Amino acid sequence: GQSLEQPSEVTAVEGAIVQINCTYQTSGFYGLSWYQQHDGGAPTFLSYNALDGLEETGRFSSFLSRSDSYGYLLLQELQMKDSASYFCAVRGNQGGKLIFGQGTELSVKP
Amino acid sequence: GAVVSQHPSRVICKSGTSVKIECRSLDFQATTMFWYRQFPKQSLMLMATSNEGSKATYEQGVEKDKFLINHASLTLSTLTVTSAHPEDSSFYICSAERGTEAFFGQGTRLTVV
Repeated sequence: GQSLEQPSEVTAVEGAIVQINCTYQTSGFYGLSWYQQHDGGAPTFLSYNALDGLEETGRFSSFLSRSDSYGYLLLQELQMKDSASYFCAVRGNQGGKLIFGQGTELSVKP
Repeated sequence: GAVVSQHPSRVICKSGTSVKIECRSLDFQATTMFWYRQFPKQSLMLMATSNEGSKATYEQGVEKDKFLINHASLTLSTLTVTSAHPEDSSFYICSAERGTEAFFGQGTRLTVV
């Protein structure tokens, strides 16, 4: 089966940098994705890594190491609006359905 | 980006009644859509995969007779919660995928009283 682990909560201050880690176990690997979800809202896509290395999109970056079954989401120059839950997700067998981690609730303080 | 629209956003129903939730992909065709359930402060749990023109694939433990899924066109999937009970109260979210990216509907907050 597939499983993902990520911290349940992270707190940081405005302007800081925060890293949210995700380790996964899958039978077959078809990429690691990250989604953001504000309270009561729909998840929105942030990034996708299929190959090792760092992908940068503005203030957000995502990293993948397939040999370590590990990835992280890096958020820079934190803003209050970044307070949300962040989910890592992997594809199931044969690139099928998305399996989500339990989510990391990020609280950004003034 | 692509848009997936879900309706209604909130519904309150009496115990024993049925509720239909619609999920539409507005600007691309989706042969497959996904239905999730989410409890407060928890992850998205996949309930079923909706396949256009064929039967849905349900995850283990999800009652197919209780959660009826219809995917009659390439842009519309519906989830009907039949004979709803208070324990069915939850946040239901649909998604459609294009390439490696999943686009989610706004979610439906179902409260069964």
